[in-house]
Amino acid sequence: NAGVTQTPKFQVLKTGQSMTLQCAQDMNHEYMSWYRQDPGMGLRLIHYSVGAGITDQGEVPNGYNVSRSTTEDFPLRLLSAAPSQTSVYFCASSGAGTDTQYFGPGTRLTVL
Amino acid sequence: GDSVTQMEGPVTLSEEAFLTINCTYTATGYPSLFWYVQYPGEGLQLLLKATKADDKGSNKGFEATYRKETTSFHLEKGSVQVSDSAVYFCALSHFQGAQKLVFGQGTRLTINP
Repeated sequence: NAGVTQTPKFQVLKTGQSMTLQCAQDMNHEYMSWYRQDPGMGLRLIHYSVGAGITDQGEVPNGYNVSRSTTEDFPLRLLSAAPSQTSVYFCASSGAGTDTQYFGPGTRLTVL
Repeated sequence: GDSVTQMEGPVTLSEEAFLTINCTYTATGYPSLFWYVQYPGEGLQLLLKATKADDKGSNKGFEATYRKETTSFHLEKGSVQVSDSAVYFCALSHFQGAQKLVFGQGTRLTINP
């Protein structure tokens, strides 16, 4: 049981490049979320999903896209990277009827 | 909208000292309240939670009580250890599965031997 996994662990991009951050969970959780962590600001919600085929925006969605074609996977796409997207990105999942979100180890992204 | 405010860090204590990290929130209704901990180089882990007023969450010697009248959820531990050094986040959620968490800014705690 791996829990929530994220790849890559580190990534450096140039401004304007695109990439996908991968997230997968093996706990059959309905809910999945993406957060970004910036110094002094805690974590902020980017996008979330309540089930396969259903996604919605969080607090800071601009510049990011998501899709959820399976229960297990919830990739985050940066369409055209900007320096303001330099951050640590965390994926999380939780099951219906619980009050606990499980977090992945994070992806540290630097945009030059 | 909802918000969470934590005491500013960093906080540095000696081993066996008493710890309090203040957390207050602004929210409509009755959200669930959480403390998450992040050890160096790792993701966040749930430390404790409380889902209704006057509930006390506890884990690993840490405690926090949901105070509706003061909109607070302060984290306490009677005797800290070096291994408690981490960043602590207070958070709230209105939603099933604790999704859509709203986090405070985090408090970095360092315990010296």
